[in-house]
Amino acid sequence: KQEVTQIPAALSVPEGENLVLNCSFTDSAIYNLQWFRQDPGKGLTSLLLIQSSQREQTSGRLNASLDKSSGRSTLYIAASQPGDSATYLCAVGASGSRLTFGEGTQLTVNP
Amino acid sequence: EAQVTQNPRYLITVTGKKLTVTCSQNMNHEYMSWYRQDPGLGLRQIYYSMNVEVTDKGDVPEGYKVSRKEKRNFPLILESPSPNQTSLYFCASRPWQGPEAFFGQGTRLTVV
Repeated sequence: KQEVTQIPAALSVPEGENLVLNCSFTDSAIYNLQWFRQDPGKGLTSLLLIQSSQREQTSGRLNASLDKSSGRSTLYIAASQPGDSATYLCAVGASGSRLTFGEGTQLTVNP
Repeated sequence: EAQVTQNPRYLITVTGKKLTVTCSQNMNHEYMSWYRQDPGLGLRQIYYSMNVEVTDKGDVPEGYKVSRKEKRNFPLILESPSPNQTSLYFCASRPWQGPEAFFGQGTRLTVV
């Protein structure tokens, strides 16, 4: 059974800092990996999707990498801003279209 | 605007009183699913549907029912809610080929 772990569970940084969120998964037979953002009272917003054949994806200040062989993904956020404060979720897609989620990293960016 | 709409957003009910949480998407997506989110457990899939009249169990289907009579709608039914079904529920949809990128805003259910 796939298990997804995110470290750290919470992170507080000053504005402007570059930061890395980590995600690990136990079964490397994945179709894709996604990073989502969750804001209180709102749904999940997809940030980046990495297909299993890819190594990384970039969108603006966000960069996600994938290393299937080691079962790891990282989300790099450059020049963090208070508006980046949210919970970031990693989800692994496998057969049957099921997504397995990690518990998330709660990020706070302080002005 | 492309969206997944859940209703209600908040619901407090009593044990045993049947309820339905509605989910509708306007993107003509084939695949829809329901998740529940609990502290310490993350998001877990309840049921999913690959198309009209095609549904299957996810990881935690006990105590829930679903139906997919129309492509745009995928209601979640709790026939006899219990307190352990108190949770935050999300509906999601995606096209047949593609990531599960569209989530509803969530329904916070409390069963007392």
